[in-house]
Amino acid sequence: TQLLEQSPQFLSIQEGENLTVYCNSSSVFSSLQWYRQEPGEGPVLLVTVVTGGEVKKLKRLTFQFGDARKDSSLHITAAQPGDTGLYLCAGGRQTGANNLFFGTGTRLTVIP
Amino acid sequence: DADVTQTPRNRITKTGKRIMLECSQTKGHDRMYWYRQDPGLGLRLIYYSFDVKDINKGEISDGYSVSRQAQAKFSLSLESAIPNQTALYFCATSDWGYEQYFGPGTRLTVT
Repeated sequence: TQLLEQSPQFLSIQEGENLTVYCNSSSVFSSLQWYRQEPGEGPVLLVTVVTGGEVKKLKRLTFQFGDARKDSSLHITAAQPGDTGLYLCAGGRQTGANNLFFGTGTRLTVIP
Repeated sequence: DADVTQTPRNRITKTGKRIMLECSQTKGHDRMYWYRQDPGLGLRLIYYSFDVKDINKGEISDGYSVSRQAQAKFSLSLESAIPNQTALYFCATSDWGYEQYFGPGTRLTVT
């Protein structure tokens, strides 16, 4: 069962364009994280959001957690080739296991 | 030096062979995890351990086993490898929070 669906699965854009990646679920999460993964490496944490409606900015990246804590979005302004990679969202649940449930991933390519 | 290391980085093995993937961490975290990654499926949890005496099955534990030799070491074994276990395998660690720190991965091919 895939708890978190990401869209689009693939995205190829020109340098300088804006883009939004979505992460959706029918389940409620106590936190939502975004990771970026580059070829040959493990995912690296970009941000954690924990409050419904929360917005966090990291330079040109803006992350939002949905009011109901079931969805999230990542918006990149003026994309650069260095933004190329696989973006993964991950939802955390406050169960005894405290584990993360990863989304299906969005592979972004920014063309110079 | 990397905080989370995995060995080997690449491995090709034959169907039916037993193989072990190893993970070591210097972050001092109690919690360690093993995931596999397949295209279009994201990361799926195989096993996790909250301390040396605590081992738990994840979403897809069938065909796998683990050993937590010490706080810093967590190994994953495939007792009898099969081709659909071909994937990228990642080890991760965390403290009490949700943030996880990943190793560089092991690319496993089962022929």
